[in-house]
Amino acid sequence: EPEVTQTPSHQVTQMGQEVILRCVPISNHLYFYWYRQILGQKVEFLVSFYNNEISEKSEIFDDQFSVERPDGSNFTLKIRSTKLEDSAMYFCASGKLLPGGSYEQYFGPGTRLTVT
Amino acid sequence: KQEVTQIPAALSVPEGENLVLNCSFTDSAIYNLQWFRQDPGKGLTSLLLIQSSQREQTSGRLNASLDKSSGRSTLYIAASQPGDSATYLCAALSYKLIFGSGTRLLVRP
Repeated sequence: EPEVTQTPSHQVTQMGQEVILRCVPISNHLYFYWYRQILGQKVEFLVSFYNNEISEKSEIFDDQFSVERPDGSNFTLKIRSTKLEDSAMYFCASGKLLPGGSYEQYFGPGTRLTVT
Repeated sequence: KQEVTQIPAALSVPEGENLVLNCSFTDSAIYNLQWFRQDPGKGLTSLLLIQSSQREQTSGRLNASLDKSSGRSTLYIAASQPGDSATYLCAALSYKLIFGSGTRLLVRP
């Protein structure tokens, strides 16, 4: 069964450095998302991406963050200058359109980002 | 603004018990309601999805119901097993998934 994959599984970086988190969504899905979960807190929506552009973003997703789908298969999240509070598990998801118009999201295993 | 609440926050039961996890949401204008399982330090495994036009979904020992008018969903686990121990998250979908804080379930052998 197709799965969403994410690399790396764990990334350690120093404050102020740029990081790129990578995701390969399920191939026939059209919607792509990033969520994050700070340790002990709820899973939070960051951004959704459809038709090669951002469709929605949260207040968390400020100018530090960007997303790209550079080659039709990968979907990346870039954090330009990491802060300690960016330490979290970052989940990528892809969405399958369901009959009736809603969609089901499939999550990857996550990338644990540690900012020191 | 959609808010999702899950009760109880934690639950410890002996093996074999049937149990119910509760989820409530404040805005009934949702496309669907999805239940996930999360093991410690791991990703999210989708268990069941109920579309807004549906009332319930079943998969094996799991049954999830949805009452949009009252803003509630329940996840029923029959004949619980130690392997069911995990955190269970519900999430309401409008254009994005809004997650609850989860119920931490421990099934004691």
